[in-house]
Amino acid sequence: GAGVSQSPRYKVAKRGQDVALRCDPISGHVSLFWYQQALGQGPEFLTYFQNEAQLDKSGLPSDRFFAERPEGSVSTLKIQRTQQEDSAVYLCASSRTTNEKLFFGSGTQLSVL
Amino acid sequence: RKEVEQDPGPFNVPEGATVAFNCTYSNSASQSFFWYRQDCRKEPKLLMSVYSSGNEDGRFTAQLNRASQYISLLIRDSKLSDSATYLCVVLGGSGGGADGLTFGKGTHLIIQP
Repeated sequence: GAGVSQSPRYKVAKRGQDVALRCDPISGHVSLFWYQQALGQGPEFLTYFQNEAQLDKSGLPSDRFFAERPEGSVSTLKIQRTQQEDSAVYLCASSRTTNEKLFFGSGTQLSVL
Repeated sequence: RKEVEQDPGPFNVPEGATVAFNCTYSNSASQSFFWYRQDCRKEPKLLMSVYSSGNEDGRFTAQLNRASQYISLLIRDSKLSDSATYLCVVLGGSGGGADGLTFGKGTHLIIQP
């Protein structure tokens, strides 16, 4: 595709529900990142993939957060038993290779009620 | 201490004025530096990279001071369309994962007519 695509654009969940957020990176991009951005804050790193390998997940805030990229293209960020503090915009970014320019998707705005 | 620190502002500046803001980083091993721009409810987009020798792109000038561990962004002849949040970004800081970017919270700039 022309850019990084994320879906859904908006997600409202009841506390305790599981959610799955999808990221479709630019075709051929090796590196894929997930960031969490709370209102008024800068994006905070969650996790990083190089192809299908999850090389760094040190930013995931708890074991309720899980990310995968099984075929090295589309990635899914799953949040189990959502809590109100999970409300944020979740941004996905990809780059052709390591240390190259990052292209961001429009994000998924998650609201947990 | 936060890895990347910025004055959140807002900076209220009249159209046509020159405005500058700084960003400090804590990890002296950081490798690369960038300024990203983020419009309200949009994803971050790369504005410019910051080189050791300083670099200029039209009305925008970025500088790096490794000794004092800060980078700066100068905007000349500001336009209404420059109103946005400017994110200071560091590659190689530990807060960004092995190959990820560490973002500051951003500086909010408002250009007034």
